[in-house]
Amino acid sequence: DAKTTQPNSMESNEEEPVHLPCNHSTISGTDYIHWYRQLPSQGPEYVIHGLTSNVNNRMASLAIAEDRKSSTLILHRATLRDAAVYYCILRPSGGGADGLTFGKGTHLIIQP
Amino acid sequence: KAGVTQTPRYLIKTRGQQVTLSCSPISGHRSVSWYQQTPGQGLQFLFEYFSETQRNKGNFPGRFSGRQFSNSRSEMNVSTLELGDSALYLCASSPTSGRHTGELFFGEGSRLTVL
Repeated sequence: DAKTTQPNSMESNEEEPVHLPCNHSTISGTDYIHWYRQLPSQGPEYVIHGLTSNVNNRMASLAIAEDRKSSTLILHRATLRDAAVYYCILRPSGGGADGLTFGKGTHLIIQP
Repeated sequence: KAGVTQTPRYLIKTRGQQVTLSCSPISGHRSVSWYQQTPGQGLQFLFEYFSETQRNKGNFPGRFSGRQFSNSRSEMNVSTLELGDSALYLCASSPTSGRHTGELFFGEGSRLTVL
C-alpha cells in the first residue's frame, strides 16, 4: 500500500521560501501526488498535484524527484496565512481507498 | 457556487447513542467521501460513495456506516457511540471517484463530542 512520510512540524520566517518534503518510496507508476493544507478550524483545501513533472500554480510549486520516491511542496514567499497543516497523499488513478488516506501531515509554523 | 455543507456543525451525544451526520456536496459533484479527524490519529478515511454506491471503505468497525442519495447528498451514521468516537467528521466532494484529477472539496466538518 502506498504511503507517505512527512516531518511532524517545520518552522519558517515570513516572506521566506518554505520547502515541505514528503517521502513516498512505495509509490506506483499510476499514483498521483496530491497536496492539501488545513488551516485552523477549517476543512482541508487542495493545493497542488502532479505525476512526474514539476508543477506550478498560484499557491505553490511541486517538485517531484526523478525516481518519484519523494516530492517537495514549495511556498515561494510564506505569509502568516500559510500557517497550516500540510498533507501529502498519493491518489492512484485507478481508484482505491489508500488514495484517500491523509495521515498526520506537517504542521507549518510561520514566524513574523 | 455553494461549497460543501455539513450539518450539524456541533453535537454532543452520550455513550451508546447513535448519530447521523449529513453532507451536501457541491452541485454537480457525484462523489462524496468521509473522514474522521482526531488529534492522535490525524485525518483518516472512512468511506467513499459515488452515484449512490460505496466505492471504497477505510478500516473502521461496522458501527460506522453511510449512504448516498440520488441527489448526491450523503449521510453517515455511527451507532453505539464510544468515547473514542469524539472527533471532527469531515466530508469531501469531487466530480469523479478515485481518479487523480479528483480534487477534493472539503466541508468545515461536524464536531462530535461523546460523553
